[in-house]
Amino acid sequence: GESVGLHLPTLSVQEGDNSIINCAYSNSASDYFIWYKQESGKGPQFIIDIRSNMDKRQGQRVTVLLNKTVKHLSLQIAATQPGDSAVYFCAENSGGSNYKLTFGKGTLLTVNP
Amino acid sequence: DAGVIQSPRHEVTEMGQEVTLRCKPISGHNSLFWYRQTMMRGLELLIYFNNNVPIDDSGMPEDRFSAKMPNASFSTLKIQPSEPRDSAVYFCASSLLAGREQFFGPGTRLTVL
Repeated sequence: GESVGLHLPTLSVQEGDNSIINCAYSNSASDYFIWYKQESGKGPQFIIDIRSNMDKRQGQRVTVLLNKTVKHLSLQIAATQPGDSAVYFCAENSGGSNYKLTFGKGTLLTVNP
Repeated sequence: DAGVIQSPRHEVTEMGQEVTLRCKPISGHNSLFWYRQTMMRGLELLIYFNNNVPIDDSGMPEDRFSAKMPNASFSTLKIQPSEPRDSAVYFCASSLLAGREQFFGPGTRLTVL
């Protein structure tokens, strides 16, 4: 089956810098995407989502960009803080009666003080 | 509001023993998912319930695994007999609408010796 994958398994940034985490998806039928953050010892936590009829959505310090042409999703974190250190997963859903979220392998973000 | 509740948080058992993991979904959510997370395989969907009915158990590894959802506020995942390769973190997640945002519990870290 089709799957979601990540370009970068690890990302290290300095505190205060902006972070960009990338995700490639292969299912062109996917119409809903989510970014999750997972801190050590905790379950994945919802950050932001986006539907395929949008190409950008902003939250608090986070922005998700969707490029359907190249099937690429990114999460931008502004002014990265040590508390942002975690594993970030993208997930996709192909809509319709599909109840499944397909998760990527995750990217480990480390923020250096 | 309370999120998804899982118990126990940690379980250490010996090979061959029965293990029961428990989950209380968010009130009002009609979709419940059990996942297993390992470094090698990432997040794997084991089983999905909708309105307390198992819809898809294709992710259940083998007959040693079983899951039940006797009512809308409780689900169990049982492994009998357990094996060392079952060692992983098991997450329960619930959602209001299948295919959309899932809320994860804190997970149960299972170690089978």
